[in-house]
Amino acid sequence: SQQGEEDPQALSIQEGENATMNCSYKTSINNLQWYRQNSGRGLVHLILIRSNEREKHSGRLRVTLDTSKKSSSLLITASRAADTASYFCATDAGRTGGTSYGKLTFGQGTILTVHP
Amino acid sequence: KAGVTQTPRYLIKTRGQQVTLSCSPISGHRSVSWYQQTPGQGLQFLFEYFSETQRNKGNFPGRFSGRQFSNSRSEMNVSTLELGDSALYLCASSLWTSGRQETQYFGPGTRLLVL
Repeated sequence: SQQGEEDPQALSIQEGENATMNCSYKTSINNLQWYRQNSGRGLVHLILIRSNEREKHSGRLRVTLDTSKKSSSLLITASRAADTASYFCATDAGRTGGTSYGKLTFGQGTILTVHP
Repeated sequence: KAGVTQTPRYLIKTRGQQVTLSCSPISGHRSVSWYQQTPGQGLQFLFEYFSETQRNKGNFPGRFSGRQFSNSRSEMNVSTLELGDSALYLCASSLWTSGRQETQYFGPGTRLLVL
């Protein structure tokens, strides 16, 4: 089963606009990662935020993490047509009970379409 | 550094056959995880190997198995293929530092179609 949900499921915007995607999860985590996937290809890592961090930036990307609400958001500023892709959050629950080695739990993803 | 590579990229099999997929991790990465991606179930964890040992396994039937070699390359095998095994199979490699997993880097995937 999926760890959590992403919202919205689909987002359609114009080039130059900002895109915000949200992710909720259910269990405590060590870190949360955001990935991008183009048309059923491999996942491209965007950013990792650890449980003791609240905000991280990378280029046009801004990620926030609220562990009290078990939620994260990804903001892409000044979107480009090339940002069109599916975006996934993935949580690493760490070694709770020794059962989470190497396991990321993914949300269902947000499909972002950026119109030129 | 070269990224994670997976072979083959595409595969067509028939029901009842078996298949072996290969994954070469980023140099120096000893952890390899495997995932199955389908439109209905999304991305689901299959198993993880570290230094030739399976440390974690997802909720998949015993038809799904894997192994890791001393050079950290990993293979996964699916026996007695079913139509529902059609999926994109992704592997990812990562470092573990101070008992903590770092970023997982994914390969391009192997798309398996079972007819």
